[in-house]
Amino acid sequence: GAVVSQHPSRVICKSGTSVKIECRSLDFQATTMFWYRQFPKKSLMLMATSNEGSKATYEQGVEKDKFLINHASLTLSTLTVTSAHPEDSSFYICSATSGRLVGEQFFGPGTRLTVL
Amino acid sequence: RKEVEQDPGPFNVPEGATVAFNCTYSNSASQSFFWYRQDCRKEPKLLMSVYSSGNEDGRFTAQLNRASQYISLLIRDSKLSDSATYLCVVNNFGNEKLTFGTGTRLTIIP
Repeated sequence: GAVVSQHPSRVICKSGTSVKIECRSLDFQATTMFWYRQFPKKSLMLMATSNEGSKATYEQGVEKDKFLINHASLTLSTLTVTSAHPEDSSFYICSATSGRLVGEQFFGPGTRLTVL
Repeated sequence: RKEVEQDPGPFNVPEGATVAFNCTYSNSASQSFFWYRQDCRKEPKLLMSVYSSGNEDGRFTAQLNRASQYISLLIRDSKLSDSATYLCVVNNFGNEKLTFGTGTRLTIIP
């Protein structure tokens, strides 16, 4: 149980285009989903917290107009990187929590974004 | 000061040896503590939670010292498959957000 999927696993795009990443909880309802970004040899950095039916809460320094998050249902959250630039190239990982155990999050396999 | 600090390593350890990692956290309001494991270019996976009383799961033992704000992970009889980056993770009181350390990279040498 507690499986989280992400799609796509890898994307290469041109500078200026927008990229949408989907995060799904497959076998549980996720009360909260999180979006992280990880640069090479760096730690995971939380970008935003997403709750179904409400606006996402962004961490300091993360542009909400650039990283659009939609949490349409209890099993799906999407992250759209708008007008992507090479510096946005990174490993984007989502996680979900069922609320059963504080601090327990189930991570998706990640999406590797490369912006040319 | 970083909220969660770890020795980045790398630790290169012969198979069968015992290895210990340390982690310190700065927020005294931190409530829950975890060790996650991350393989190269993969997502993190929960290894174990850390309790004040200490807890053991097979070859892995985790300890928490709230007074010193210090967390440790001990791996006994290390296996080649233990090679990974080990992330110290902290959850603060009142929310579900996790704060990750930068990780300690471990390589087990045959």
